[in-house]
Amino acid sequence: ETGVTQTPRHLVMGMTNKKSLKCEQHLGHNAMYWYKQSAKKPLELMFVYNFKEQTENNSVPSRFSPECPNSSHLFLHLHTLQPEDSALYLCASSQWTGPYNEQFFGPGTRLTVL
Amino acid sequence: QQQVKQSPQSLIVQKGGISIINCAYENTAFDYFPWYQQFPGKGPALLIAIRPDVSEKKEGRFTISFNKSAKQFSLHIMDSQPGDSATYFCAASNGGSARQLTFGSGTQLTVLP
Repeated sequence: ETGVTQTPRHLVMGMTNKKSLKCEQHLGHNAMYWYKQSAKKPLELMFVYNFKEQTENNSVPSRFSPECPNSSHLFLHLHTLQPEDSALYLCASSQWTGPYNEQFFGPGTRLTVL
Repeated sequence: QQQVKQSPQSLIVQKGGISIINCAYENTAFDYFPWYQQFPGKGPALLIAIRPDVSEKKEGRFTISFNKSAKQFSLHIMDSQPGDSATYFCAASNGGSARQLTFGSGTQLTVLP
């Protein structure tokens, strides 16, 4: 595997379900991100992990819970979601100590909440 | 102040033509301006980036023009090809502890054969 991988690629869940999204980066980076991408809107930054520590939580509802067990893996735990949470969820990674914040994105998980 | 405004929302260009996408920002602390390209079913991929100490950067058919005083930057795609059809996002970030990218809303480019 190379770059940033995400699983599953597609997920359909009911409002009462609990599921998790997984992201893995194979780039040796030390920062990882979760973004939400909705149609015709800017990418919305949800969470930032820098050296495994959460440094940003952009007012994300508690029904989204991130976990970063090490610098290569990132999870997004989902529970009691709402239909408006349906979107493409993108994971990215970067080298935090680099001169620029060049982020590399995974292919995303297309989430549909029924 | 953290917004990056991108236009147009969609753009249709004939093969061989020039595609131009514009972005404007307000935060003068931004010091890194990348453009990302996203194909359907894929995540965004870094296309080209510029820092404000230069007014233009060219990589192949892709050029970023940067106007620091106007707080605007644009992406020019010369000799546009059908394979360039994708969604393009501008972004901006500042250094320091934040290092977050603020994205524009995207431009869907269609290049007609």
